[in-house]
Amino acid sequence: DVKVTQSSRYLVKRTGEKVFLECVQDMDHENMFWYRQDPGLGLRLIYFSYDVKMKEKGDIPEGYSVSREKKERFSLILESASTNQTSMYLCASSLAGAPDTQYFGPGTRLTVL
Amino acid sequence: TQLLEQSPQFLSIQEGENLTVYCNSSSVFSSLQWYRQEPGEGPVLLVTVVTGGEVKKLKRLTFQFGDARKDSSLHITAAQTGDTGLYLCAGVNTGKLIFGQGTTLQVKP
Repeated sequence: DVKVTQSSRYLVKRTGEKVFLECVQDMDHENMFWYRQDPGLGLRLIYFSYDVKMKEKGDIPEGYSVSREKKERFSLILESASTNQTSMYLCASSLAGAPDTQYFGPGTRLTVL
Repeated sequence: TQLLEQSPQFLSIQEGENLTVYCNSSSVFSSLQWYRQEPGEGPVLLVTVVTGGEVKKLKRLTFQFGDARKDSSLHITAAQTGDTGLYLCAGVNTGKLIFGQGTTLQVKP
């Protein structure tokens, strides 16, 4: 079974802090994605990566950056957290040959005070 | 910008009732997916429909893709309390997923 794990289930940070959200997948997937999920808005794509060291902006990249130094790990960085970044963050991965079949992690619920 | 509108956003029914969730767009998608998400977990893929007019069944769940590949529906027959959760549709285009807002379903015993 594909397993996507996220470093924290719940996180509370203060405005202005630098925040790192980590995601690891164990199935050698080439593609990895970061989404945020807000009530009434569904999932929105922040950044994605098709390979190590590669990154592409999604629909809402402002205020975020990412890092993919190893194939299995994709990190989302909030350089200076703000209250409007309070949200559920979901990581997903997929094979290069089946990009649409994405497997999601359990999510990190981030609260920025 | 491609958008997917899901309706209704909330649904509370009694066990044994039938229900339908709709997913509509003005855009054409190469395929459409339905996910179910339980509290504290990530979405889990239920089905992908690819061909216009396609109907897929998964036990008591029936998924249909519109002829023009712009809309889809999920019908649940004789809902059970275990069906409770958030149902999300997602349109697929150029390797990216466009998600609807989600339908929160509560099935009461």
